Amino acid sequence: SYVLIQSPSVSVAPGQTARITCGGNYIGRKSVHWYLQRPGQAPVVVVYDDSDRPSGIPERFSGSKSGNTATLTISRVEAGDEADYYCQVWDSSGDQAVFGGGTKVTVL
Amino acid sequence: QVQLQESGPGLVKPSQTLSLTCAVSGASITSGDFYWTWIRQPAGKGLEWIGRMYRSGSTHYNSTLRSRVTISLDTSNNRFSLKLTSVTAADTAVYYCARGGLERRNWFDPWGQGTLVTVSS
Repeated sequence: SYVLIQSPSVSVAPGQTARITCGGNYIGRKSVHWYLQRPGQAPVVVVYDDSDRPSGIPERFSGSKSGNTATLTISRVEAGDEADYYCQVWDSSGDQAVFGGGTKVTVL
Repeated sequence: QVQLQESGPGLVKPSQTLSLTCAVSGASITSGDFYWTWIRQPAGKGLEWIGRMYRSGSTHYNSTLRSRVTISLDTSNNRFSLKLTSVTAADTAVYYCARGGLERRNWFDPWGQGTLVTVSS
């Protein structure tokens, strides 16, 4: 089955840039989506279809892909960005959605 | 504004069937190009997609759960349901319902707030 690999954790100082990566075979051919999940809350999509932002999501959140890796970049990190972040794709071979294992972002 | 709300028993005994319902407001589950989806998350762990159903009746299930899962639509009440049979402690999780799109629009938005289901005797 298809697997997405995320680093377990990222630490970043306020005002700096956080980069969260999501690796998977042939991910360049897939539409990648990113979710933010704060403790005790449901996930919220922050980037969809690789690099688009839903209304209401700050421009500080951006998505990109290169090779077998997708990246969520959070610019000018704020304390409120501290959360778990998940990437997700649709595995057309297995006909199922797949999530990465999640990355915990800690704001120092 | 589309909203989803899960409901169902918070405690299920091992070997029994877990049954949850997701009430949808602000949209009809019989219109639009959307899949109605269940996702779960064990405490302290990541997200696991369970399955989805389209208004046509088409379904897709997680390969690891397929033999135990059924998702159905209740069009009269604009809600959809999840049944998971033969549960064990490993099925203890927060269960979310969500709306997903077709083709490349296969992200999930919005989500319900989630409901905790504990499997224990």
